[in-house]
Amino acid sequence: SQTIHQWPATLVQPVGSPLSLECTVEGTSNPNLYWYRQAAGRGLQLLFYSVGIGQISSEVPQNLSASRPQDRQFILSSKKLLLSDSGFYLCAGRTGVIAGELFFGEGSRLTVL
Amino acid sequence: QQPVQSPQAVILREGEDAVINCSSSKALYSVHWYRQKHGEAPVFLMILLKGGEQKGHDKISASFNEKKQQSSLYLTASQLSYSGTYFCGTEINRGSTLGRLYFGRGTQLTVWP
Repeated sequence: SQTIHQWPATLVQPVGSPLSLECTVEGTSNPNLYWYRQAAGRGLQLLFYSVGIGQISSEVPQNLSASRPQDRQFILSSKKLLLSDSGFYLCAGRTGVIAGELFFGEGSRLTVL
Repeated sequence: QQPVQSPQAVILREGEDAVINCSSSKALYSVHWYRQKHGEAPVFLMILLKGGEQKGHDKISASFNEKKQQSSLYLTASQLSYSGTYFCGTEINRGSTLGRLYFGRGTQLTVWP
């Protein structure tokens, strides 16, 4: 079965500091990968979408970026965090472009102070 | 791109029924339903593809009206374990964005004994 490992699970960062969240996928190859952010009362906001190595589509032009250096590795980064970056970040994967369910990682809770 | 869910919150007694609605202003290829417990990742419930199909899983079922770009999730004879936040995710029927899943703000369901 497909699983996503995501880390770190929790982090507290000061404003202006860098960020790196990482997820790796097991159990499938060439998945579509997603980064979502969940802020309080805001639902799941799609941040980035990737269909393959080096192929990243950005949904939200903020101070976040994503990279996919390997087929089953997806990284979310920021050079300088803002207070508004706080939230619950979820990495998700999907086998096939369409008609497949998303499987999620455990999530990373980020608090920016 | 984000679908609209209603109601925002539902409170039920065990054994009662509930309906959660999801609508989009875009033509949809598919609708997904997920349930999330507090602090956890969302868990997949079902996918409905265009074609007006209806699906069921135990006492949870859903319908998809592609002409109206609407989907409804039906929970019958609710159980305590049904408590959580329900999200619909929509996949827009357009080549450039196919594969991207956009989620609503969620419906918080609370079931009391």
